[in-house]
Amino acid sequence: RKEVEQDPGPFNVPEGATVAFNCTYSNSASQSFFWYRQDCRKEPKLLMSVYSSGNEDGRFTAQLNRASQYISLLIRDSKLSDSATYLCVVNVNWGKLQFGAGTQVVVTP
Amino acid sequence: DTEVTQTPKHLVMGMTNKKSLKCEQHMGHRAMYWYKQKAKKPPELMFVYSYEKLSINESVPSRFSPECPNSSLLNLHLHALQPEDSALYLCASSQVETGFNYGYTFGSGTRLTVV
Repeated sequence: RKEVEQDPGPFNVPEGATVAFNCTYSNSASQSFFWYRQDCRKEPKLLMSVYSSGNEDGRFTAQLNRASQYISLLIRDSKLSDSATYLCVVNVNWGKLQFGAGTQVVVTP
Repeated sequence: DTEVTQTPKHLVMGMTNKKSLKCEQHMGHRAMYWYKQKAKKPPELMFVYSYEKLSINESVPSRFSPECPNSSLLNLHLHALQPEDSALYLCASSQVETGFNYGYTFGSGTRLTVV
C-alpha cells in the first residue's frame, strides 16, 4: 500500500460548482498534513496546512479524519483559476514529507 | 522575505559537463531539501539537510552531490549526468521542530535537460 494515495482524476467541474476529493495515508503517527497546488510546469505552492481536525480558508476547506486516516479538500464556487493538480502531503517523520501522486482538477466554463 | 530562490531557471548540459544548482532562503528555516520531479509525477525527495548537516540521502546516485555551505544556501553539484536525469529540480526549505514539520516553501525550480 502506498504511503499517500490520491484519486488522480481528472475531476471535471463546472464553474461555480463544488468539488471534493480525498487522500488516504498509511502512517497513523503522522501529525502534519498539507494540500499543495501545482500548476503545469510550476513549483508546488502551499494551499492549506491541517494539524487538527480541519482548516478553512475562503472557498477551500480541508478536513482530517484520523480514525479513517484520510484528509479531504473541498473547493466551493469553483473558478477557472482553480484548475490545477492538488497534491496531498503528509509528514513521515520530522524531515520527510510524503507526496501523493496528485489529483487533477479541471474547471470548465 | 518569504521566498526560496533557485538559479539557474533553465540548464542544458552535456553528459560530460559539471554544473551546479543553487538555492537560497532567508526565512531562517533550518531544514532544506532537494527534490526531483518528472513530468506528471509528484516530487521525489533526494536530500535533506538539517542545521547544515546532511540527514537524509534517498539513495541518490553519486553523480549528484549536495552541499550546504551555510544555513541559507544549498547547492547541488552535477557531474556525468545521464539523459534520464532531465527533470525539474526543486529546492525547498521548512521550519521544523522535534517531530513536527510546518510544510515546505518551494523555489521555482531549475529545469534541467541533459543532452
